[in-house]
Formats: sequence, C-alpha cells, structure tokens
Amino acid sequence: AQSVSQHNHHVILSEAASLELGCNYSYGGTVNLFWYVQYPGQHLQLLLKYFSGDPLVKGIKGFEAEFIKSKFSFNLRKPSVQWSDTAEYFCAVHFSGTYKYIFGTGTRLKVLA
Amino acid sequence: DTEVTQTPKHLVMGMTNKKSLKCEQHMGHRAMYWYKQKAKKPPELMFVYSYEKLSINESVPSRFSPECPNSSLLNLHLHALQPEDSALYLCASSQATGDEKLFFGSGTQLSVL
Repeated sequence: AQSVSQHNHHVILSEAASLELGCNYSYGGTVNLFWYVQYPGQHLQLLLKYFSGDPLVKGIKGFEAEFIKSKFSFNLRKPSVQWSDTAEYFCAVHFSGTYKYIFGTGTRLKVLA
Repeated sequence: DTEVTQTPKHLVMGMTNKKSLKCEQHMGHRAMYWYKQKAKKPPELMFVYSYEKLSINESVPSRFSPECPNSSLLNLHLHALQPEDSALYLCASSQATGDEKLFFGSGTQLSVL
C-alpha cells in the first residue's frame, strides 16, 4: 500500500539548533515530493519540492531537502532554526501523472527563543 | 492573486441540515481539490476536479456531493452528515500541467451536532 511516514511527531529545539525531519514513502513508481508548512493560524503552504534533477533542493527560509531514491526518503533540513520556524511540517508524495497526493502525519516543531 | 478563498470559515450544522461549502480561485488553475483534515491528522483527499470534470472520488460517502460549476469555483454540498464528519475541510488548486504544486485555502471548520 502507498504510504508516507514522518517519524518525528513533535520536535522541540532551541534557536540556532540544526533541524532534520525524516520522511519516507512506500511506492515503486515515479513520484514528486513536497514539504508543506502550516504556521499557526495560517493555511498550508509550499516549502519546497522535488520533481527531477539535483536530489538536493532548496526552498524558502533556508530550508533544504534531499531525495535519496534508494532509501525512499526525502528528509527536510535547516542548519539553524529560528523561533519563527515554529509550525507543523507535512511531507507529501504526489504520484506522477495523477492528481493524487498522500500526506504524512505531520511534525509539530516548536522552537524556543 | 495567489489565493484560494473558502467560505464560510466556520460552520455548525445539525444532522438533518443541508449546507454548502464554497471555494474560489482566480489563478487559472484547472484542477481543484477537496481535502478533509481531522485534528492532529494529515489532510485526506476526498475529491479532485480536473477541467471541471470529476477526476477522483476517494470512496467518499454520498452525503458529501461535490460540484464544479466553472473553472474558478468548487462547491461541496453537505446533507445528513454525522458527528464524525466534523473536521476542517480544505480546498486546494493546482495548474493541472503536471506541476501539481497545491495552493490551499484556509479551510472551513465544520462541526456537526
């Protein structure tokens, strides 16, 4: 069955700490990969995406993610988090050629000032 | 204009009521989506319209009835809902060109009494 797993449900970090959020998916076909973020009181918005090419993609606000095909992973990283990064982060898999997305269960990140 | 607008923001209805949720976008997107999100859970796909035709129905109960009157509007008609249908209902849109980056609305928080 197709699924997306995010291993960290809640993460608490101090400002300037490094962040890595894990995302793994199970699907043998071609996929596009996304990270979406939901800041408190706001709607879901795109953080970054991978379609093809360089497996290391950079997004907004200093975030980056690396697609490792052999591990079916698309982990999100940021070298130094800020208080304003407090939000919920969703990994999502889009099945190429369809309109179908599956979202991971989300990771709530809290950054302490 | 990069917004997806959903109305109403909040809705309380009884199990015998009929109500409708509305979604509008003016980005020229030709794919529009309804997602359901329960608290602390990821968004779950319900319906997708592509070029005003129903493309995906994820086995949603018939008490939910989608409608796409034109390329900018998407409705979700609700009838005889159950308390377990209480959730945040999210509308999203995408270009329908293969670059399926989703743009989300803020959602309608629905409570069924």
